[in-house]
Amino acid sequence: AQSVTQLDSQVPVFEEAPVELRCNYSSSVSVYLFWYVQYPNQGLQLLLKYLSGSTLVESINGFEAEFNKSQTSFHLRKPSVHISDTAEYFCAVTISGGYNKLIFGAGTRLAVHP
Amino acid sequence: GAGVSQSPSNKVTEKGKDVELRCDPISGHTALYWYRQSLGQGLEFLIYFQGNSAPDKSGLPSDRFSAERTGGSVSTLTIQRTQQEDSAVYLCASSLLAANPLTNEQFFGPGTRLTVL
Repeated sequence: AQSVTQLDSQVPVFEEAPVELRCNYSSSVSVYLFWYVQYPNQGLQLLLKYLSGSTLVESINGFEAEFNKSQTSFHLRKPSVHISDTAEYFCAVTISGGYNKLIFGAGTRLAVHP
Repeated sequence: GAGVSQSPSNKVTEKGKDVELRCDPISGHTALYWYRQSLGQGLEFLIYFQGNSAPDKSGLPSDRFSAERTGGSVSTLTIQRTQQEDSAVYLCASSLLAANPLTNEQFFGPGTRLTVL
């Protein structure tokens, strides 16, 4: 079975500081990896995904994540955060060749302070 | 175009009552998923539909939970004899196809917040 661990339930950070949200996964088969974001009072939105190819993937709003197979990690990073990045971030996996049901981590609440 | 819609947005019910939650996927999306977001359990997969059939029901927590999909479109999640532990936000997502990872982005609805008193 697959599982996802997000080590930090909350991450407070000041505006313009760098941030890293950690995600580790466990799976005996190949997986695809995702980060979803949930802004306050809004639905889940896909932030970025790793399917294959380059292990570094980027989003349009400055986030990036790197797939590390040896460490089974997919940490999310941003070099300089904005107040508007305040949200809950979910790491998720789905197995290749399956029905693409998402297995989510518990989420990390990112709080950006001025 | 319209996204995934869910109704009602909020539902308060008494313990023991039955509830129905509705999901309208994006038009043309053949795959539909139900998830549950609760404080104690995080985001959990419940059931997956491909067209009108449900090849994966492995996430339904008990036989009080059932779901159906008609016409390859609207889906209804029914919870019978609701319990307080059923209180959660129920999320629906749809995708164009399930099998192809390049087209499998799941688009989520706003959710239905269920409160069981």
